Amino acid sequence: GQNIDQPTEMTATEGAIVQINCTYQTSGFNGLFWYQQHAGEAPTFLSYNVLDGLEEKGRFSSFLSRSKGYSYLLLKELQMKDSASYLCAGMDSNYQLIWGAGTKLIIKP
Amino acid sequence: DAGITQSPRHKVTETGTPVTLRCHQTENHRYMYWYRQDPGHGLRLIHYSYGVKDTDKGEVSDGYSVSRSKTEDFLLTLESATSSQTSVYFCAIRGDRDTGELFFGEGSRLTVL
Repeated sequence: GQNIDQPTEMTATEGAIVQINCTYQTSGFNGLFWYQQHAGEAPTFLSYNVLDGLEEKGRFSSFLSRSKGYSYLLLKELQMKDSASYLCAGMDSNYQLIWGAGTKLIIKP
Repeated sequence: DAGITQSPRHKVTETGTPVTLRCHQTENHRYMYWYRQDPGHGLRLIHYSYGVKDTDKGEVSDGYSVSRSKTEDFLLTLESATSSQTSVYFCAIRGDRDTGELFFGEGSRLTVL
């Protein structure tokens, strides 16, 4: 079956670094997405990985290991506005997204 | 701004009544999707469309139907709403870049009493 696993909730301190992990099992693989979703709002795209390695985009980086079925999202220099849910999604062989339940990130001052 | 609007944004209805949610896009994208989002679950695909009058079922399609008579509009219909269909519904379009990223509408919160 297809499955995406990520922690339900994480807490971090303003200014610190946090890593949100995601493991995936999909029928075929066409990439791994990360989205950010603030409470009561729509998800917005953060990153896409299809090859192994680290993709850096400002304070956010995303890593993929296809052999391990594993990805992480790294957030640096945390700001209060980073408090949100972070959704991991794998794209299967039919180019459909399989979504994790999301990780709620709480930032404390 | 991907130019997606959903209507209504909020609706309260009673069990057994029909409900239609509308998704409208302004950028002529081919692929459109309807998802529902519930606590403890990831986004779950209800139906999607890959062109005018071309639609297919997702993983949670029971109790839902869709129509796409124009490129810009994708309608989701609950023929006879049930309390289990209380949820937040998101419409999405697939962007044109190779990554296939999705752009989401603002969501429609539906409560079935």
